[in-house]
Amino acid sequence: DTAVSQTPKYLVTQMGNDKSIKCEQNLGHDTMYWYKQDSKKFLKIMFSYNNKELIINETVPNRFSPKSPDKAHLNLHINSLELGDSAVYFCASSQVAYAYNEQFFGPGTRLTVL
Amino acid sequence: GENVEQHPSTLSVQEGDSAVIKCTYSDSASNYFPWYKQELGKGPQLIIDIRSNVGEKKDQRIAVTLNKTAKHFSLHITETQPEDSAVYFCAASMGHDMRFGAGTRLTVKP
Repeated sequence: DTAVSQTPKYLVTQMGNDKSIKCEQNLGHDTMYWYKQDSKKFLKIMFSYNNKELIINETVPNRFSPKSPDKAHLNLHINSLELGDSAVYFCASSQVAYAYNEQFFGPGTRLTVL
Repeated sequence: GENVEQHPSTLSVQEGDSAVIKCTYSDSASNYFPWYKQELGKGPQLIIDIRSNVGEKKDQRIAVTLNKTAKHFSLHITETQPEDSAVYFCAASMGHDMRFGAGTRLTVKP
């Protein structure tokens, strides 16, 4: 069984469009995260949610908005897509939102903005 | 905030040799240091981690060392195999905020 799943795996879209990436975890974890990995493989945290509460919000443009309908899901909505948004986006989850807890990553969604 | 530096960015070794990847961190409050392996087209996967109250940890061919005073930690892979080829990330965290190094692309030549 897949622990952390993301859909879609690939997303190609035009500048200015609005898109969403879905994430689901079946591990019963309390915290979920979104990371952006750029072309140089650098991983940067964007958001995390703990029991439906946003606990990290890095300097991410407000065009990006996380939505968590329940503890097992954290979706990423992106409005007015820009060329610089092209990257691989990873969802992750951990048991609790403090140290010593392994983060489990999804397979990633490769977003290409044309 | 925490800043993690990782070296080298690329590393090529012969099968059977050892590989060492080094990281430094800036925030002395960081207390958890995981290492992730990312294979092509996949998400990062934890391979080993160490807490700040431990200086060394070993799991078969993989070991991690931590020097809190100098704020650096290292990953050691012995008897490397072609399947060890991947991108490796170090990370440092305190609480929910985990910061990753820039990654090391390890290539093991048969």
